Amino acid sequence: GDSVTQMEGPVTLSEEAFLTINCTYTATGYPSLFWYVQYPGEGLQLLLKATKADDKGSNKGFEATYRKETTSFHLEKGSVQVSDSAVYFCALSGGSGNTGKLIFGQGTTLQVKP
Amino acid sequence: NAGVTQTPKFQVLKTGQSMTLQCAQDMNHNSMYWYRQDPGMGLRLIYYSASEGTTDKGEVPNGYNVSRLNKREFSLRLESAAPSQTSVYFCASSESGSPRFFGPGTRLTVL
Repeated sequence: GDSVTQMEGPVTLSEEAFLTINCTYTATGYPSLFWYVQYPGEGLQLLLKATKADDKGSNKGFEATYRKETTSFHLEKGSVQVSDSAVYFCALSGGSGNTGKLIFGQGTTLQVKP
Repeated sequence: NAGVTQTPKFQVLKTGQSMTLQCAQDMNHNSMYWYRQDPGMGLRLIYYSASEGTTDKGEVPNGYNVSRLNKREFSLRLESAAPSQTSVYFCASSESGSPRFFGPGTRLTVL
């Protein structure tokens, strides 16, 4: 079945460092790919998404490119801030025709130190 | 707009007790979802409702029932709670397709 694998955390960075959180997926068909962010004590928020190969999703300085050849959707940010500390989830939908239902990775905790 | 609201925020149950988690959205969305979040496992879909009057099982439906009361409200019921159902429960909604907005969650402990 469809699945999403994220790099294990926690990822600890200093402020202004470059961030990469790896995400790879397995799916039949042509899934849409998503990154969600969960700040401490809150629910998830959609951060960005891409619906087809080579699309780049971006929001709040974060970017991710849908790479069909490597089945990846890595999250990047050029300069992280303390306020970016959160749990980041990669997810896919629609890969097996089950549109509307998300399959999530296990989440990666990011800690940014001043 | 309040977005997606959930009640209660916290709940402690004893094994065998029943309870209903409430969810409401004020965005006139067609689709609503219930997920559970467990450490190291991401979120897993329990049930979803693509439109008013319809519900369908997700990845982990056993031990749960749902009701799409109207377009706004989607409740999740535990008939006989078990310690394995200790989790954080999130409701979500979207106009169509994948979940867009999530509620703040209900932290449930079953003793």
